[in-house]
Parts: sequence; structure tokens; C-alpha cells
Amino acid sequence: DAGVTQSPTHLIKTRGQQVTLRCSPKSGHDTVSWYQQALGQGPQFIFQYYEEEERQRGNFPDRFSGHQFPNYSSELNVNALLLGDSALYLCASSPRGSETQYFGPGTRLLVL
Amino acid sequence: GENVEQHPSTLSVQEGDSAVIKCTYSDSASNYFPWYKQELGKGPQLIIDIRSNVGEKKDQRIAVTLNKTAKHFSLHITETQPEDSAVYFCAALFPGGYQKVTFGTGTKLQVIP
Repeated sequence: DAGVTQSPTHLIKTRGQQVTLRCSPKSGHDTVSWYQQALGQGPQFIFQYYEEEERQRGNFPDRFSGHQFPNYSSELNVNALLLGDSALYLCASSPRGSETQYFGPGTRLLVL
Repeated sequence: GENVEQHPSTLSVQEGDSAVIKCTYSDSASNYFPWYKQELGKGPQLIIDIRSNVGEKKDQRIAVTLNKTAKHFSLHITETQPEDSAVYFCAALFPGGYQKVTFGTGTKLQVIP
């Protein structure tokens, strides 16, 4: 059984560009959450998707947007990249009705 | 607001000794407390969790205790091994937040052989 997968593993962009990160949840999981983890810090909640809708959002600007597909996979989009967006972006999935979240390996984004 | 404080930020122990990491949370209505282990270059791995109706939970060398009155919870690792070296995060699920969890700032554990 594959765990949570994310792509790409690493990405380098320049300021002002746009980026799309992808996540496939564990089999049987229908809820996907996205987190940003800056170096040396804990993950910060960006938003959560359930039934293709954004169910909750953390304290992140509208430059951060997402989508969930019918197969429960998800994308995170970041527009107008800033240097401060450089971080590890983590996806976590949960089965329906459970608080337990399982994380993927993350996508390391570097903005130059 | 939603806040989780974690101490210490770094911890060094000799192999075979015990390690204890402590966290406090801000909202007494929080009801779910997971612990994650993160190795270098990897995503966080769930190692144990506890719900507010339980005071203690054990899984082999790992245990978590919860004191709802004091709003704190702790991770205990016994008989530490070098492979326990990693960054450990506590987290709490705040009420009304679906599955949004707030993480502590992390503890870097080093087990010295």
C-alpha cells in the first residue's frame, strides 16, 4: 500500500513565478491537508480539502490556492512567488471521519 | 488563540537512557494530540497519538501522557537508540478545526552511542 506521495521532490523558481505542487493521498483517504514548513520550524497549516472543497484555511494569503480532484488527489498553487515562500511543502491525508494525518515526503521549494 | 509550546528545543542523551519532551496547549477543549518524528529530508512520521479521554498510552518504547487539567502532554522514549535521533513535533487539534492541527516548534533529539 503506497503512502502519501508528492511531486516534484525539489523545485527551483524565481520571484514572481507561479508553482503547482501535487499530492496523492493514501489509498482509502479522502481528506488532504497542506502545510508549509520553513527551515527549523514546525509545519504551518495552509488549507484542507474534502469532497473537492476547501474546508478550512490557515493564515495564508490568497496567492496560495488549491484544488482536489474526484480521485482525492490534490494540487497546491502558489502565485507571485516571494523569497519567503521557500520552504518544504507537506501534504497530509486522512481517512473519512478521522483526525489522524499521514504525511508525504514533501516538496522542497526554493525561490531565488 | 491556538498555540502549542514545546520544550526543550534540543536534547542530547546517552544511548540507553530515557528522553522526555514536554508540550503545553492553549485551549482546554483540544481533544487530540499526535506526536511526529521527522528525519532529515523526510516528512513527519506519526509515532503515537492520544485522545483526551485517555491519560496515558504506550507503544513499546514510546509513551505519551496527558494532563488535561494542566493542559500539557509529554512524550517519553525509553532505552533510546541512535536511530531515535530526529526532530520530534507535538501537535494539538483545536475545537472547531476539523482536522487542522497546530504543531509545536520541535525538539531535536540526539542519541549519543
